[in-house]
Amino acid sequence: LAKTTQPISMDSYEGQEVNITCSHNNIATNDYITWYQQFPSQGPRFIIQGYKTKVTNEVASLFIPADRKSSTLSLPRVSLSDTAVYYCLVGDPARSGGYNKLIFGAGTRLAVHP
Amino acid sequence: NAGVTQTPKFQVLKTGQSMTLQCAQDMNHEYMSWYRQDPGMGLRLIHYSVGAGITDQGEVPNGYNVSRSTTEDFPLRLLSAAPSQTSVYFCASSPGTSGSVISYNEQFFGPGTRLTVL
Repeated sequence: LAKTTQPISMDSYEGQEVNITCSHNNIATNDYITWYQQFPSQGPRFIIQGYKTKVTNEVASLFIPADRKSSTLSLPRVSLSDTAVYYCLVGDPARSGGYNKLIFGAGTRLAVHP
Repeated sequence: NAGVTQTPKFQVLKTGQSMTLQCAQDMNHEYMSWYRQDPGMGLRLIHYSVGAGITDQGEVPNGYNVSRSTTEDFPLRLLSAAPSQTSVYFCASSPGTSGSVISYNEQFFGPGTRLTVL
C-alpha cells in the first residue's frame, strides 16, 4: 500500500485559503487519492477523492499533478470550524478482493485562528 | 437514515474481561470495517467485511473477533481485554461494489466507542 507523507500541523487565519500537500511517491497506477476530515471526538468524514488533474466539490478542491506523486487539498476561505485533522489516503479499490484497505496516517492538524 | 450507529459510547473493562462492541448501519452498505484510534494517532484497521458471511483481517487483528451474519450488523468482540486495547473504536461502512468507484473509498463513520481497560 502506498505510503503518504503530510505536514504534522499547519496554522491559518479565518478567510485565508489553506493548501495541504501530501506526498505519495509510490502511488500505483490504479490508486485513487482520498481526503478525510476529523473533528475531535468524532469519526472521520469523507471530503474529496480524485485520480488526476483537478476535482472540486462544495467543500474543497483537490489538485493532482501529472506524475501523481503528490496531491494538494485546497480549502477556500477557511473558518474556525475548519479546525480539524486532515488525512490523505491512497488506495486501489480493485485490490484486496474488492475492499480498499485504506491506511490512515497521523494526518495534518490544521488550526484556524481568528 | 440513522447512518452508522455504535453502542456503547463509553465502556470501562477490567483486564481479562470480554465484551462486544455493537455496530449497525441502515444504508444497505456492503462494506463494513472496524478501526481503532489511539491518542494523537491515525486510525488503524482491525477487521473488515465485504458482505454478509465474509470477513478478513486488517492491520491489527490480534485480540479481536468479528462476524457478519447480516448486512446491517458488524459486532466487534474483545476476547480478553488488555490495557493495550484502551482506545477509541470506530465502525465504518461504504457502499462497495453496489456504487461507483468513489463508493469504495467514501466510508461513513460512526460516532465511536471510547474503551478503557484497567
